[in-house]
Amino acid sequence: AQSVAQPEDQVNVAEGNPLTVKCTYSVSGNPYLFWYVQYPNRGLQFLLKYITGDNLVKGSYGFEAEFNKSQTSFHLKKPSALVSDSALYFCAVRDIERSQGNLIFGKGTKLSVKP
Amino acid sequence: GAVVSQHPSWVICKSGTSVKIECRSLDFQATTMFWYRQFPKQSLMLMATSNEGSKATYEQGVEKDKFLINHASLTLSTLTVTSAHPEDSSFYICSAPGLSEQYFGPGTRLTVT
Repeated sequence: AQSVAQPEDQVNVAEGNPLTVKCTYSVSGNPYLFWYVQYPNRGLQFLLKYITGDNLVKGSYGFEAEFNKSQTSFHLKKPSALVSDSALYFCAVRDIERSQGNLIFGKGTKLSVKP
Repeated sequence: GAVVSQHPSWVICKSGTSVKIECRSLDFQATTMFWYRQFPKQSLMLMATSNEGSKATYEQGVEKDKFLINHASLTLSTLTVTSAHPEDSSFYICSAPGLSEQYFGPGTRLTVT
């Protein structure tokens, strides 16, 4: 079965420091991977995606993610964290076993950036 | 980018009543829409797939008679929670697929008292 794992419930970072939010996946073929961010009582906002091509994907708000096929990982990174980056982050993979195109989400990682 | 709206953004209802949530694609047509449910501090769980002009496809464990889905046009899908109970209180989010990503609505917070 396909799945996404986010091993950390929470990540704490000081403002200005680099941040990493971890994600690993398990799919039967080539993965379509996504990162979304959610602010309290809001819907999900798209950050970036990996479909094919360059393993380093750059997205919105200075975020980037590196696709690592051998480690089946797609960690989200940012060189310098901002307090406003504090939110809930979801990694997701497209469900390729079904044609409807829904996403399978990780459980989410709460990012807390302190000034 | 494509925009998906939801209405209402939050609703409080009494136990036993029904609540309808609307999901609209504002600048594109969506033959398929997804309905997710999110419990506090948890991930999104797919409830059902809404298909324009045909019956919705429900995920295992989701009661189709309780969560009625209608996709009457290419821009509107509705989720009706019938005979709501406190355990139905949750955050409901819809989305519509684009060419390579999904576009999410802002969500509807349902509280059943």
